[in-house]
Amino acid sequence: AQKITQTQPGMFVQEKEAVTLDCTYDTSDQSYGLFWYKQPSSGEMIFLIYQGSYDEQNATEGRYSLNFQKARKSANLVISASQLGDSAMYFCAMREGLNYGGATNKLIFGTGTLLAVQP
Amino acid sequence: DAGVIQSPRHEVTEMGQEVTLRCKPISGHNSLFWYRQTMMRGLELLIYFNNNVPIDDSGMPEDRFSAKMPNASFSTLKIQPSEPRDSAVYFCASNPGLAGGSGANVLTFGAGSRLTVL
Repeated sequence: AQKITQTQPGMFVQEKEAVTLDCTYDTSDQSYGLFWYKQPSSGEMIFLIYQGSYDEQNATEGRYSLNFQKARKSANLVISASQLGDSAMYFCAMREGLNYGGATNKLIFGTGTLLAVQP
Repeated sequence: DAGVIQSPRHEVTEMGQEVTLRCKPISGHNSLFWYRQTMMRGLELLIYFNNNVPIDDSGMPEDRFSAKMPNASFSTLKIQPSEPRDSAVYFCASNPGLAGGSGANVLTFGAGSRLTVL
């Protein structure tokens, strides 16, 4: 069963507007972590934001915020005030299990959403 | 901090040839990961190491693929013999590992090695 689902293969957004990229996940663990990475056309993978399953507040990093809805198992990325440089592929990822002394340290990725910011 | 260093950045080879990809993780990071990225399959975890020991190699496609980590600062991914379907971008990544770092334990990626098998 797919663990991470990104249902939007591609998205368009106007410059300076906000955009939400969807991510749903599947796990039976109580402790897990959710991540978003950006991959511009140059190919590198850039870490954006992290949300732990026990974090009570939604994570924020500058213009990035993570809309974490635990009951729905969703972890959507919100980019505010889009810029042309935000055009890239965005990946949602999950790490299951306890982080310390724990079972696994591996990160499983979704299929990605290609975001195009239009001027 | 030089980040995760991968070499070569680009490799073009002919079917049947041996390919060796190299990775130097961030100093102090205890976990190292090899991923493969293709259009068809996305980002796949091939194998990962904790403290130089392979922990999960369930993603390794077949016996033609092998990975080693002889010490904390070096890892190789070898394909022998290579086939056209192995063409992909291969990423190495590292993080502090299970016993270190914050709760996020963020994975830092190298720039990738783009492999083309003709």
